[in-house]
Amino acid sequence: DGGITQSPKYLFRKEGQNVTLSCEQNLNHDAMYWYRQDPGQGLRLIYYSQIVNDFQKGDIAEGYSVSREKKESFPLTVTSAQKNPTAFYLCASSIYPGEETQYFGPGTRLLVL
Amino acid sequence: AQSVTQPDIHITVSEGASLELRCNYSYGATPYLFWYVQSPGQGLQLLLKYFSGDTLVQGIKGFEAEFKRSQSSFNLRKPSVHWSDAAEYFCAVGAPEGTYKYIFGTGTRLKVLA
Repeated sequence: DGGITQSPKYLFRKEGQNVTLSCEQNLNHDAMYWYRQDPGQGLRLIYYSQIVNDFQKGDIAEGYSVSREKKESFPLTVTSAQKNPTAFYLCASSIYPGEETQYFGPGTRLLVL
Repeated sequence: AQSVTQPDIHITVSEGASLELRCNYSYGATPYLFWYVQSPGQGLQLLLKYFSGDTLVQGIKGFEAEFKRSQSSFNLRKPSVHWSDAAEYFCAVGAPEGTYKYIFGTGTRLKVLA
């Protein structure tokens, strides 16, 4: 079955620690996205990638970093510079950027210890 | 600038009653429009989408939505709600011409009374 997988389901971060959230898709989609979801705020775009080895900042990129070394994978690192990282993180992909439906993974909940 | 408004934060309906969730958007041209549903702790599932053509769109789980250009609206409807429909619903706008950005509304949480 084709789809998007995110791991882990829950992630705990200590002060000053960088953590990495995994996102993998086997849909052969070119574009991938990371969103942050906070209660009552909908989804906000962190980073997106239209093609391998290329990515752009979204609306709230500060304190986050990404890489896109393979078409299937788009990991998100939450750095120590992100002072309020507690949120639900959703990865999505689309066949090509902006003009097609986005399909979402099951999400990762990040909590701070 | 593009924006999406879902004016109802919470809606409660009885099982078997009809449902309408409101969505208004702001965009200069005809956008791509989507409704997604999210169960607690889960990702978003696409219910339906509108790109062009017939303004009444049928989706999964018995949902439909109507695009009204004159009102800049894309309201979601279901004639008879089931208890399993309790979830959060998000309206989203995507722009054509190859732009990357989708704008999501803040969501409407649906509660269904038995």
